[in-house]
Amino acid sequence: ELKVEQNPLFLSMQEGKNYTIYCNYSTTSDRLYWYRQDPGKSLESLFVLLSNGAVKQEGRLMASLDTKARLSTLHITAAVHDLSATYFCAVDRGWGAQKLVFGQGTRLTINP
Amino acid sequence: GAVVSQHPSRVICKSGTSVKIECRSLDFQATTMFWYRQFPKQSLMLMATSNEGSKATYEQGVEKDKFLINHASLTLSTLTVTSAHPEDSSFYICSSAGTGDLGGTEAFFGQGTRLTVV
Repeated sequence: ELKVEQNPLFLSMQEGKNYTIYCNYSTTSDRLYWYRQDPGKSLESLFVLLSNGAVKQEGRLMASLDTKARLSTLHITAAVHDLSATYFCAVDRGWGAQKLVFGQGTRLTINP
Repeated sequence: GAVVSQHPSRVICKSGTSVKIECRSLDFQATTMFWYRQFPKQSLMLMATSNEGSKATYEQGVEKDKFLINHASLTLSTLTVTSAHPEDSSFYICSSAGTGDLGGTEAFFGQGTRLTVV
């Protein structure tokens, strides 16, 4: 059974600081996704990581994938308040973003 | 990217009644859609896979007679929560897969439906 674990689950940080969210998964997969969720809202797609060593960056967020270690990271650089949200990683049980198994989510709060 | 529209966004119903949630793919045909449930402050859990023109497949522990799924066309899947009870109160989100702007196949999510059973 595929399991996806994130840590930390809660993260409170100051603006301007850097931090990393980790996502470990239990079985082989070469498709990993990162999402953002604001309170009361649905999911916003952030990154699609499709191969070992993949690195993608968008603004202050950078995601990477190590399929051998079954680990993905989401790195936040010089955090700003607008990045406060819950971040989920998800791994594909099937083909092509179908049947996703989600991590528990990391609730990120960025304080001025 | 593709657009998935879900309706209603919020619904409050009395215990024992049934509620229907619609999920539409607006600019593409979706032979398969997925229904997830998210309890407050928890993660998303896949409930079922909706297949156009055939029966839905349900994840272990999800009652198929309670959560009726119909996928009668290539653009519409519906989830009906039958005889709803307070423990069914949750955030229900549908998705469909497609090629987006992020460089690979990705899931496109509806806006979600907040169901409150009183």
